[in-house]
Amino acid sequence: GQNIDQPTEMTATEGAIVQINCTYQTSGFNGLFWYQQHAGEAPTFLSYNVLDGLEEKGRFSSFLSRSKGYSYLLLKELQMKDSASYLCAVINYNQGGKLIFGQGTELSVKP
Amino acid sequence: DTEVTQTPKHLVMGMTNKKSLKCEQHMGHRAMYWYKQKAKKPPELMFVYSYEKLSINESVPSRFSPECPNSSLLNLHLHALQPEDSALYLCASSQDWEGEADTQYFGPGTRLTVL
Repeated sequence: GQNIDQPTEMTATEGAIVQINCTYQTSGFNGLFWYQQHAGEAPTFLSYNVLDGLEEKGRFSSFLSRSKGYSYLLLKELQMKDSASYLCAVINYNQGGKLIFGQGTELSVKP
Repeated sequence: DTEVTQTPKHLVMGMTNKKSLKCEQHMGHRAMYWYKQKAKKPPELMFVYSYEKLSINESVPSRFSPECPNSSLLNLHLHALQPEDSALYLCASSQDWEGEADTQYFGPGTRLTVL
């Protein structure tokens, strides 16, 4: 079976750092994506991890541990515009390259 | 340029209507996707086209009919929909299907309301 877990909601303060965790159990694994989705808009690609370690892109970083089935998205210097849903998705070539999404984490950034 | 465009942005239709959603990308991607997304839920995969051929149909009801006229265009034909089909319909594309680094880029979606 496949299972991807992430918290439903998180709240953080403008200027702070927040870490959104994602754990997964899948029959095959070929990489993990993070997407950002503002209400009523399309998901926007943030990061892709296939090897263990940290990938940094400006204020956003994503970490992967394949042995632990664990990833996190780290957002630094939070801005109000970072309020959005953050989707963790695993790609599994045992299923022909389908993206398997978590339920999403709704992040609210408060002043 | 990682742009996927979709038209219309909003669509309201009755249960007896026939309408079509359109999606276009000019990134040279060979895989295109249709997703359905309900409020506060993740996108659900409906169809995958690879090299203009249907590769995956996720047991979608026949009232949804996809079409890929060429490598840049993807349509979703709608007929005799139900109110529960109201959702955001997202199109996405990626370099390839079952290849490496297949980041999917999403269009802005069509907000569909079925009355």
